[in-house]
Amino acid sequence: DAGVIQSPRHEVTEMGQEVTLRCKPISGHNSLFWYRQTMMRGLELLIYFNNNVPIDDSGMPEDRFSAKMPNASFSTLKIQPSEPRDSAVYFCASSFGGYYGYTFGSGTRLTVV
Amino acid sequence: QQPVQSPQAVILREGEDAVINCSSSKALYSVHWYRQKHGEAPVFLMILLKGGEQKGHEKISASFNEKKQQSSLYLTASQLSYSGTYFCGTSPQAGTALIFGKGTTLSVSS
Repeated sequence: DAGVIQSPRHEVTEMGQEVTLRCKPISGHNSLFWYRQTMMRGLELLIYFNNNVPIDDSGMPEDRFSAKMPNASFSTLKIQPSEPRDSAVYFCASSFGGYYGYTFGSGTRLTVV
Repeated sequence: QQPVQSPQAVILREGEDAVINCSSSKALYSVHWYRQKHGEAPVFLMILLKGGEQKGHEKISASFNEKKQQSSLYLTASQLSYSGTYFCGTSPQAGTALIFGKGTTLSVSS
């Protein structure tokens, strides 16, 4: 298995632009999570899905952030418009049920200038 | 709701032991432990479930005290490869996502 695949690995964009991060979970995993990591805040949960349904999006910072999971093999996290304070590493992770660990993707390093 | 990890940092020589603690103010269903090396993604080490037994993986083991809502990660006879940041992640019930602590940085030197 190729693991959790995220794209792009790096993204540099100007303030005000739209950014879309992509994630392909491990086949057969039914839960998908989006986390953001910064030095100040550590690993923050943004949103998670069970069986493609968003369960808790209370971690999404504001309306500029949105996430979708149209099918079991694909999810997107969109930021529109982007701001410098959104700069962070964004991780996608997937798991099977509540008894197994999470497998993280390699992350997307987002820099908003 | 975020679990509290201690200590924040540990410096060891090869072969020494370390204990990393994780505590929560809420009742816990599960505790996960992950290790992250610089510039890489967190990697799953082990999971401890409410009512479950202590788990072990080579020279790394962990315990979960449900009454105290605490977990400890034990690293024995540390190796250079153990260096990294260790995170505990906790969930209050099955089916909910993990909330991670701020991490404990472990540095092992020869």
